[in-house]
Parts: sequence; C-alpha cells; structure tokens
Amino acid sequence: NAGVMQNPRHLVRRRGQEARLRCSPMKGHSHVYWYRQLPEEGLKFMVYLQKENIIDESGMPKERFSAEFPKEGPSILRIQQVVRGDSAAYFCASSPRGDVTDTQYFGPGTRLTVL
Amino acid sequence: LAKTTQPISMDSYEGQEVNITCSHNNIATNDYITWYQQFPSQGPRFIIQGYKTKVTNEVASLFIPADRKSSTLSLPRVSLSDTAVYYCLVVGGGKLIFGQGTELSVKP
Repeated sequence: NAGVMQNPRHLVRRRGQEARLRCSPMKGHSHVYWYRQLPEEGLKFMVYLQKENIIDESGMPKERFSAEFPKEGPSILRIQQVVRGDSAAYFCASSPRGDVTDTQYFGPGTRLTVL
Repeated sequence: LAKTTQPISMDSYEGQEVNITCSHNNIATNDYITWYQQFPSQGPRFIIQGYKTKVTNEVASLFIPADRKSSTLSLPRVSLSDTAVYYCLVVGGGKLIFGQGTELSVKP
C-alpha cells in the first residue's frame, strides 16, 4: 500500500513563473491537506480538500495560490507568479474520513526554490 | 483550536527514557491529543494519539491526566535515530495546527 506521493520532490522556478505541485493521496483516502513549512519554522496549514470540494482554505494566501482535488487524478497546489518568499517545503497529507480520530499521513514534500 | 506549549529543545543519551510534556490549557471536550515526529527534509510521521489516561503503542506511550490540560509523550530507551522534532497537537478534526515542536537531540 503506497503512501502519500508528491512530485516533484524538488522544484526550481524563477520569479514570476508558475509552480505546480502534485499530491496523490493514499489509496482509499478522499481527504487531502496542504501545509507549508518555511525554513526553520513549523508547518502551517494552507488548505483542506475533499474530492471536487474545498472544505477549508483559511490558511491559503488570497492571491496567486489555488488548490484543487479533481474527481480523477492527484490534488494540485498551484502558485502563480512566484516570489522568493514562496521558497519553502510544501507537504501534502491525506486521511480516509476527515474526522477527529483520523490520522493524517504526510508525503515527503516538495521543496520549492524561487530564484 | 487549543494552543500547545512544549519545550523548544531537549537533550538525552542513548538508552534513556525521554519524556516530553505539552501544555494545552484550552483543550475542548471533543479534542484529541496527537504527536508527530519529523526528521530533517521529511514529512511529519504520526506517533500516537489519545483522549485521556494512557495510550501505548510499539513506539511510545502517551499519558494524559484527568483534566487533560497537559500530556506527556514517553519514548522508552531512545537511540540516535530518535533525534528529530516532536510536535504536540490538539486535534478537533480537519486541519492540524503545528507549534514550534521540541527538538530532541540524542547523544551517544
């Protein structure tokens, strides 16, 4: 049973380009969460999605960032017109039901570097 | 969601038992207490979760007093590979709120 998969593992972009981060949840999991970890800091929640629905995007910056979890395929976190401050590790987690006793399983992360 | 407070760092030696205490004074009735471990350049890994009293699994034990305002993660006989950051979270469903965590350093 494969764990949460994220790709690419490393992504380098120049300022102004777009970054697309992909997350494939564990088999049977329909809830996906995205977190961002800046250097030397803890993880910060960004967005929580269920298939085709955004449940909670309270941690998502209002501009340039968007997320989706289509009926088929991986979840995508999209960052438009990247800036140096977007350089961070982006982690995706998945859970089966989304309730309080669910364990969120994390992927290995995508390290975004903006030049 | 309740805020958690835990020590910034701890040192230990191989073979010792390590106890990391976390305060969560404003925990709600429906909240659970969850601990994650994170190694450098990796995603967090679930360790243990509990609601009250004591929970034990193959990796750790979690002690929660009756008032649930704090919890203690106990790691028996740590090894060098247990060097990591340990996060205490109060979970009510949905998003996880991570604090700074406790950086545990295990020395030979």
